[in-house]
Parts: sequence; structure tokens; C-alpha cells
Amino acid sequence: GNSVTQMEGPVTLSEEAFLTINCTYTATGYPSLFWYVQYPGEGLQLLLKATKADDKGSNKGFEATYRKETTSFHLEKGSVQVSDSAVYFCALSDQGSGTNAGKSTFGDGTTLTVKP
Amino acid sequence: ETGVTQSPTHLIKTRGQQVTLRCSSQSGHNTVSWYQQALGQGPQFIFQYYREEENGRGNFPPRFSGLQFPNYSSELNVNALELDDSALYLCASSSQGSEGYTFGSGTRLTVV
Repeated sequence: GNSVTQMEGPVTLSEEAFLTINCTYTATGYPSLFWYVQYPGEGLQLLLKATKADDKGSNKGFEATYRKETTSFHLEKGSVQVSDSAVYFCALSDQGSGTNAGKSTFGDGTTLTVKP
Repeated sequence: ETGVTQSPTHLIKTRGQQVTLRCSSQSGHNTVSWYQQALGQGPQFIFQYYREEENGRGNFPPRFSGLQFPNYSSELNVNALELDDSALYLCASSSQGSEGYTFGSGTRLTVV
């Protein structure tokens, strides 16, 4: 079945540092890939997505490139801010049929803390 | 546009009881999915509803059931609650064929 493996946290950085959170996946088809962010006490928010190989998703200074050859979708940001402190989830969606229809598979999340 | 709203926000139930959680989807979205998120883990897919029918299900027992209504809102019902059912239950809406969800803030269920 499908699976997503994320870099274990927690990750602690100083403000303006470079961020990378690694994500690799296993899927039988050609999934779409996502990064979601969860702030304390809230639900998940879609941060960015990529629907095919070599696509780059970007939003709010975050970027991730869909790498089919390495089955990866690493999240990067050049200069983090204190407000970026949150839990980040990598996910894939394989719009298959049958019981897997509509299912997204999530990693276990990586907690990022940015200190002033 | 309104987002996804869930109720209640918090709930405490006793083992063996039944619970109903509610979700109103984002305006314009016709598909609702439910996820269970245990502490420190990623969300696990329970099921998805489209056009008032279940069209996808994860590895959850039949005591987890749901409904979708003509206005696309949805309910998650859990019977015979177990201690391990304690988790954050997330509702997510989307448009059929689109990519990515809009999540609600969740219902925190505690089973004692």
C-alpha cells in the first residue's frame, strides 16, 4: 500500500535559518503530493501541492519539488520566521478506485520550532 | 466563503457509549472525508462521502459509520466506544476531482 515517511523531529532553528524537511513516499500509481501545516489547536491547512513529476509547488516562501526518480517531496524555505513554528505533514493522494478512492496518506508530521 | 466547521470541539464519553460528530463542508465542496489523528501521529483515513454515499474507506471497523446529507454536510458515528478511540477527529471537504482538502479544526474526543 501507499506510505509516507517524514524526517523525524522536532526541528529547532533560529530565525532566518534555512529549512529542509525531508519526505519520501511509496505509491503504486502516480500520486499527487502535498504539504499541510497544523498550528496548535487547529486543523490542517494545505500549504502547497504538486500533481506530477518535476512540478514545483510553492506558497508563502515554502517550496517542494516532486522527484519521481527519488520518490521524494522535500519541503524547503530559505529564511524561516517565528510564525512558521508548527507541525508540517507530507501527504500523497492516489485518486484510485474502490476502497482507496479519495484516500490521502499522511506522514507522522515534523514539529518545527523557530526561535527569535 | 465559509470554511469547514465541526461540532462539538471537545467531547468526553464513557467506554461503550455511542458518539455523533458533525461537519459542515466548505461552500462549493461536494465531498467530505473523515480522518482520525492520534496524538503525535498523522491523520488516518476513515472514509469519504460523495453524493450521499460512501465511496472510500480506510482500515476502520464497521462501528465507525457516517452519513452525508443533501447539503453536503456530514456526520461521523462511532458505536461501542473504546479507550483507543480517543483522538482528534478531522473533517475535510473538497470538490470531486480536485486536489487537496480544506480541513476543519477537529473534534477532540476523549473516551474514559
